[in-house]
Amino acid sequence: EAGVTQFPSHSVIEKGQTVTLRCDPISGHDNLYWYRRVMGKEIKFLLHFVKESKQDESGMPNNRFLAERTGGTYSTLKVQPAELEDSGVYFCASSWRQGVWEPLHFGNGTRLTVT
Amino acid sequence: QKEVEQNSGPLSVPEGAIASLNCTYSDRGSQSFFWYRQYSGKSPELIMSIYSNGDKEDGRFTAQLNKASQYVSLLIRDSQPSDSATYLCAVEGSGGSNYKLTFGKGTLLTVNP
Repeated sequence: EAGVTQFPSHSVIEKGQTVTLRCDPISGHDNLYWYRRVMGKEIKFLLHFVKESKQDESGMPNNRFLAERTGGTYSTLKVQPAELEDSGVYFCASSWRQGVWEPLHFGNGTRLTVT
Repeated sequence: QKEVEQNSGPLSVPEGAIASLNCTYSDRGSQSFFWYRQYSGKSPELIMSIYSNGDKEDGRFTAQLNKASQYVSLLIRDSQPSDSATYLCAVEGSGGSNYKLTFGKGTLLTVNP
C-alpha cells in the first residue's frame, strides 16, 4: 500500500510569489489533514477534510492560504502571496477508511522556504 | 490553549540503555495519545498509541499513561543507534476536536554506540 505522498519535497520562492503544495492520501482514506511546522515550533494543525468537504479550517493562519480537495482524492494547499513567516515544513496526513479507524499516516512533508 | 509539553532534550544514552521520554498535556478530556518517531527529513511515523491508564508494551517500546496526572511517557529498552531520532508526543483533542492532534515540540534522542 502506497503511503501519503507530497509534492514537491522542497520549494524555494520569493516573498509575494504563489506556491501550490500537493498531497495524495492513502487510497480510500476519507480524512485528509494539513499540518505545519515552523522552525523551532511544534507541528500545528491547519485544516481537516472529510472527502471533499472542509470540516475544520480553524488552524489556517489567514486568507492567503487556500486548501482544496476536489473529488475527495488529492488535496492542494495554495499560499498566495507568500510571506517570510510562511516558511516551514508542511505535512499532509490521512486516516479512516470507512468503518476502519486508523491513526494518522503522515507524508514526508514539503519544506517551503520563502526568501 | 491546549498544550503538550515534552522534556526539551536533547537526550543522549549509551547503546543498550533505557531511554525515557516524557510528556504532559493540558486537555483533561483527551482520550488518545500517540508517540511518533521522526528521522531528519522524514515523515512522523507512529510507533505507539495508548488509550487507557497503565502500560502498553510493543517490543522494546513501552508507553505509560496516567490520565489523573495528565502524563504520558515512552520507554525504549535496549536502545540502539537506529533509535536516534526526534520523538513527538501527540494528543488527540476532546469533544468537537477529537480528530485533531496537538503535538509537543519533540525530544531529540541520540543513542551512542
